[in-house]
Amino acid sequence: TQLLEQSPQFLSIQEGENLTVYCNSSSVFSSLQWYRQEPGEGPVLLVTVVTGGEVKKLKRLTFQFGDARKDSSLHITAAQPGDTGLYLCAGAGAGGTSYGKLTFGQGTILTVHP
Amino acid sequence: KAGVTQTPRYLIKTRGQQVTLSCSPISGHRSVSWYQQTPGQGLQFLFEYFSETQRNKGNFPGRFSGRQFSNSRSEMNVSTLELGDSALYLCASSLVILGGFGDEQFFGPGTRLTVL
Repeated sequence: TQLLEQSPQFLSIQEGENLTVYCNSSSVFSSLQWYRQEPGEGPVLLVTVVTGGEVKKLKRLTFQFGDARKDSSLHITAAQPGDTGLYLCAGAGAGGTSYGKLTFGQGTILTVHP
Repeated sequence: KAGVTQTPRYLIKTRGQQVTLSCSPISGHRSVSWYQQTPGQGLQFLFEYFSETQRNKGNFPGRFSGRQFSNSRSEMNVSTLELGDSALYLCASSLVILGGFGDEQFFGPGTRLTVL
C-alpha cells in the first residue's frame, strides 16, 4: 500500500513570509501532483512533476520532485492572503493496481494573515 | 473548455436509502475516477472507469458501485446508506495519455452527501 505523509498539517503565517510543505513516501511514484482546494470545492491542479529531480515554478510557487521520486516539496515565497487554502499532494503509481488512482497526503491547511 | 461537472451539488438522505451521483468529464477525457473526502480520512480512492470498464477499485464495501456510459459520463451509487457515508464525493477526469499511469486528473466541484 502506497502512503504519502504530508507535513505540516497546519501552517499559520504572516503575509510576506516564506513556507515549505513536504510530501514523503517510502514508495516510488510515476508522477506527483499538487492541488489546492477551497472549502466546498474540488481540488484544483497546480502542477504535475514526473521526472526525478524536476523543479517547476509557478509564479511564487516552486515545486520539486525528489531524485528517487519518493518525495516532493512545495515552497511559497512571500505568501499572500490569497494563498490561503488546503494544499494536497497526490502520487500516481504504476502497474495495474494504479489505474486512475491517486494516493493523497492528508493535506496542509495554510492560513496567511494580512 | 468546460470543466468536470457533478450533480447534484448537495444531497441529504436518511440511513438505509440509496443515492446516485453523476459526473460529466471534460470533453475528450475517457477516464473517470471517484474519491470520497472526509475530515478524518482525507481523499480516498473509490474506483476508476475507462471506456465503460471498471479498471481499478479501492477498499470500499460493495455498497459503493459505479458505471460509465459510452459518452464517458459516469455515475456512482451508494446503497443502504450509513451515517459514515456522509462526505464530499469527488470525481476526476483524465485524458489517459500515459496508459492510465500518472495522467493528470482534473476534479469536479463535488457532491456533498449528508446522511441523517
